Amino acid sequence: EAGVVQSPRYKIIEKKQPVAFWCNPISGHNTLYWYLQNLGQGPELLIRYENEEAVDDSQLPKDRFSAERLKGVDSTLKIQPAELGDSAVYLCASSPSGPGELFFGEGSRLTVL
Amino acid sequence: ILNVEQSPQSLHVQEGDSTNFTCSFPSSNFYALHWYRWETAKSPKALFVMTLNGDEKKKGRISATLNTKEGYSYLYIKGSQPEDSATYLCASLNQAGTALIFGKGTTLSVSS
Repeated sequence: EAGVVQSPRYKIIEKKQPVAFWCNPISGHNTLYWYLQNLGQGPELLIRYENEEAVDDSQLPKDRFSAERLKGVDSTLKIQPAELGDSAVYLCASSPSGPGELFFGEGSRLTVL
Repeated sequence: ILNVEQSPQSLHVQEGDSTNFTCSFPSSNFYALHWYRWETAKSPKALFVMTLNGDEKKKGRISATLNTKEGYSYLYIKGSQPEDSATYLCASLNQAGTALIFGKGTTLSVSS
């Protein structure tokens, strides 16, 4: 069974540029999460989807971050414009339903110059 | 906001040594405690999901215990091997029971 797939693995951009990350969860997993992991910190939840509905986006900085999960499968996380402080690893995870064991992708490492 | 703390932040052991890490979390409104292992350049992988006070789980040389009344969990590694080198994350469900809150992790380095 294929795991959670994320792309790109690495991205280097200049500040004020836009960037997008893509996540394909495990087939059949209804719940999808985007986590942000800063260096030396634990992953922090940005947004959680149940199917296509964003049920918890309280920690998503909505002035520059947006996310979508059309058709309740793939998801895209966008930052526009990127700031220096956005340099981090963006992790996508999925679970069959609700808050059970999470299955993570390898992450997308963003560097903003 | 749920606060999950892990200690130590990092440690270095020799091959064959046994070691343990601590995860502490608020004991009120507890739902579940997860342990994940995150190897460099790979994805975090679940080790254990624990829900009941007194739970003890084991997977090979790695085991974990859970005390929900006092709000802590221990992860033990017996006879550490270089392949055990990774960051070990614990996470607890938030009070709404809908999303995991992670600690900062313990980074283990095992030298041969």
